Amino acid sequence: DIQVTQSPSSLSASVGDTVIISCRTSQGINRYLNWYQQKPGKAPKLLIYVASNLQSGVPSRFSGSGFETDFTLTISSLHPEDCASYYCQQSYGTPYTFGQGTKLEIK
Amino acid sequence: QVQLQESGPGLVKPSETLSLTCTVSGASLRNIYWSWIRQPAGKGLEWVGRIYSSGSARYNPSLESRLTLSVDTSKNQFTLKLSSVTAADTAVYYCARDVSSGWGSWSDPWGQGIQVTVSS
Repeated sequence: DIQVTQSPSSLSASVGDTVIISCRTSQGINRYLNWYQQKPGKAPKLLIYVASNLQSGVPSRFSGSGFETDFTLTISSLHPEDCASYYCQQSYGTPYTFGQGTKLEIK
Repeated sequence: QVQLQESGPGLVKPSETLSLTCTVSGASLRNIYWSWIRQPAGKGLEWVGRIYSSGSARYNPSLESRLTLSVDTSKNQFTLKLSSVTAADTAVYYCARDVSSGWGSWSDPWGQGIQVTVSS
């Protein structure tokens, strides 16, 4: 299985800040990397697919980048509603493993 | 728009078989992959498996010996069966549509999830 290591596991930031969440895979996966947002008690929601493609309806303050083993999700100008957990997922090979998640708190 | 809804028993006894159904509305099951993902309380997401409309399935190796996915295109439903369950299978189970391209796959949208508890 491809291992996916996400960091940090949690972070706290203020409205208006820029936050960066990292995801590293145990082998090169080209750009086969997705990002999801999950709010408490809700199903995950797709934010970014194929490393940097913004899903329709997702605010442009969310962006993704990366290639092979190192990827990042950047949230610019943090909004209060961005308080959530964020997960990366590789789709290079089954099982499509997820990172452990990053819990984002708004100060 | 496409909507998915999980259904099934919320409580299953240890050693029995967990059976869940995902009903899809707003789209046909044909020519698309459909996935199951689960999440124990307070923990991360675990990919369970996915099935194509033809019935071809891929399973998480950690569950493969106990897992069966199937699809019924006439009912626009797909199902999960997990046998010999233990407390470790207690989780919220989500179904999702998989969009697949030459650049990988991603899950969107997801069902709301169903809590399944394994307990006697």
